Amino acid sequence: DAGVIQSPRHEVTEMGQEVTLRCKPISGHDYLFWYRQTMMRGLELLIYFNNNVPIDDSGMPEDRFSAKMPNASFSTLKIQPSEPRDSAVYFCASSIGDYNSPLHFGNGTRLTVT
Amino acid sequence: AQSVTQLDSQVPVFEEAPVELRCNYSSSVSVYLFWYVQYPNQGLQLLLKYLSGSTLVKGINGFEAEFNKSQTSFHLRKPSVHISDTAEYFCAVSDLSGYSTLTFGKGTMLLVSP
Repeated sequence: DAGVIQSPRHEVTEMGQEVTLRCKPISGHDYLFWYRQTMMRGLELLIYFNNNVPIDDSGMPEDRFSAKMPNASFSTLKIQPSEPRDSAVYFCASSIGDYNSPLHFGNGTRLTVT
Repeated sequence: AQSVTQLDSQVPVFEEAPVELRCNYSSSVSVYLFWYVQYPNQGLQLLLKYLSGSTLVKGINGFEAEFNKSQTSFHLRKPSVHISDTAEYFCAVSDLSGYSTLTFGKGTMLLVSP
């Protein structure tokens, strides 16, 4: 079990550029979550998927943010255009949706927008 | 909706001393409670959880927590800490419907010194 895999680990980009963050959930997990972590706001849920279908995107801050899950083993979070206030650590997490099984987090992508 | 308050943003302690990290929650419905740990440059890992049953919950690495419904608290304790316990600790609460309702506190940084 390789765990939840996120790429890249670090991303530095200039304001206005498009940024794509990637996530591979644990095989067999049918829930996938995208979180954002900042000093000011802590850990916030952006969007989550069940069986590749977006269920709740009410946490997505603006239309500049979009997320897709084309298949059970891959998801992307895209920011276009990026702004300095998007700088944060973005985490992907997956689970089987049962509280008896833990929520598994990836190691995150640290995004810096200059 | 639920909310979580972690009363201390930072807790310094000497190695082999006991420690308590405080967590209070607010909710109008029944909840499940969790503690997660985040080591530098890593994702969150589950330390322990309370779903039902005994209010004293034991987790990994010698940590335990006690659910107190009347005080709406879920404090984390360890009788003797190690240098390797230095990390950020997050208390989280969810209603009974699933991980999509998981709400995290702002975190407590545990700093263990020799």
